Amino acid sequence: EVQLVESGGGLVKPGGSLRLSCAASGFTFSSYSMNWVRQAPGKGLEWVSSISSSSSYIYYADSVKGRFTISRDNAKNSLYLQMNSLRAEDTAVYYCARGPTAGAEYFQHWGQGTLVTVSS
Amino acid sequence: SYVLTQPPSVSVAPGKTARITCGGNNIGSKSVHWYQQKPGQAPVLVIYYDSDRPSGIPERFSGSNSGNTATLTISRVEAGDEADYYCQVWDSSSDHLWVFGGGTKLTVL
Repeated sequence: EVQLVESGGGLVKPGGSLRLSCAASGFTFSSYSMNWVRQAPGKGLEWVSSISSSSSYIYYADSVKGRFTISRDNAKNSLYLQMNSLRAEDTAVYYCARGPTAGAEYFQHWGQGTLVTVSS
Repeated sequence: SYVLTQPPSVSVAPGKTARITCGGNNIGSKSVHWYQQKPGQAPVLVIYYDSDRPSGIPERFSGSNSGNTATLTISRVEAGDEADYYCQVWDSSSDHLWVFGGGTKLTVL
């Protein structure tokens, strides 16, 4: 069974940094692209970033480009999101998500999410 | 960037049919995927590639896509179908490669 477990969320001041992690199990992690999707309180879903299986291809939404860095450690079956220069509008639940195949257009598996709150 | 437009809310009586639309410029030329999200839970994929259902999703859920509108149809609606529903496409020309609609709250009366 595919399992994705996020961690690292919490309360951080504007301008601060936070590193999210996603522990993957139940599949061959190194064979799949991985993604971060976020959801602000009471709002809709927003794709944040994607990384290919070997980290060769990395994409960001314009809203986080230059501030967030996605990475992965295939040996540890883990996905990361380093978030710097955080803003109030980055407050959201951050989900780790995976498609059904290596380069899928949609997300078949989701973690339960980790809440990031940016506030002074 | 590519924009997907959903109605904020749809209401339907139990046993009836709910239709949730997702509008986008020539969306019929793209593949549309649908997610269900209940309060406090992660999204669940209910339709992919316009009309395919993942295993475990009831046949009551179906999808179509043509022209400028994609539609998620839920037949014989049950109380447990009450949730937020999001459409999504992949758009290589958008700043958000994976684009979501704003979501529709389905209320079962």
